[in-house]
Amino acid sequence: EDKVVQSPLSLVVHEGDTVTLNCSYEVTNFRSLLWYKQEKKAPTFLFMLTSSGIEKKSGRLSSILDKKELFSILNITATQTGDSAVYLCAVARMEYGNKLVFGAGTILRVKS
Amino acid sequence: NAGVTQTPKFRVLKTGQSMTLLCAQDMNHEYMYWYRQDPGMGLRLIHYSVGEGTTAKGEVPDGYNVSRLKKQNFLLGLESAAPSQTSVYFCASSYSLYQPQHFGDGTRLSIL
Repeated sequence: EDKVVQSPLSLVVHEGDTVTLNCSYEVTNFRSLLWYKQEKKAPTFLFMLTSSGIEKKSGRLSSILDKKELFSILNITATQTGDSAVYLCAVARMEYGNKLVFGAGTILRVKS
Repeated sequence: NAGVTQTPKFRVLKTGQSMTLLCAQDMNHEYMYWYRQDPGMGLRLIHYSVGEGTTAKGEVPDGYNVSRLKKQNFLLGLESAAPSQTSVYFCASSYSLYQPQHFGDGTRLSIL
């Protein structure tokens, strides 16, 4: 059975800290791994990773994929209170429909 | 550009009642999806569509039906609501197999 596991389940940090969120997966016919940020409403897209070892970066956020060890990390540097959210990891399989398998998410709270 | 719009935003039903959730997207996306999100379980796929007139079952389809009569709309129906269907429902769409899914703001549904 396909599964996506995120860790930690939750964490609390102070503004300015650096955090690393983890996502491991066991999914057949892997196509890509996606990261989303969910505040109060819609998950918003952050990154899509398809190749190992190539870092994707957007401002203070970055992410990398290891297809050999089957995991990805999402780094956030110099955290701000606006980074407080649930971060979701999802894996797309090479199959009809482009369906996603989601992890349960990591709840991040950044204290001022 | 509204993106993905879901209506209604909130609804309370009694057990046994029926209702339809509407998802509309204005991005000319081919693929559309319905998910439910429950605490600690991440997002689970209910049904999806790969184009106008097509639908398919996802991971948790029982108790739900869908229709995609127009490319821009994807309807989710509950025929006879049960308390176990209390959840937050998200609609998503994507342009192709190689593009990320974009989500609506969700519908919070409570069944008493």
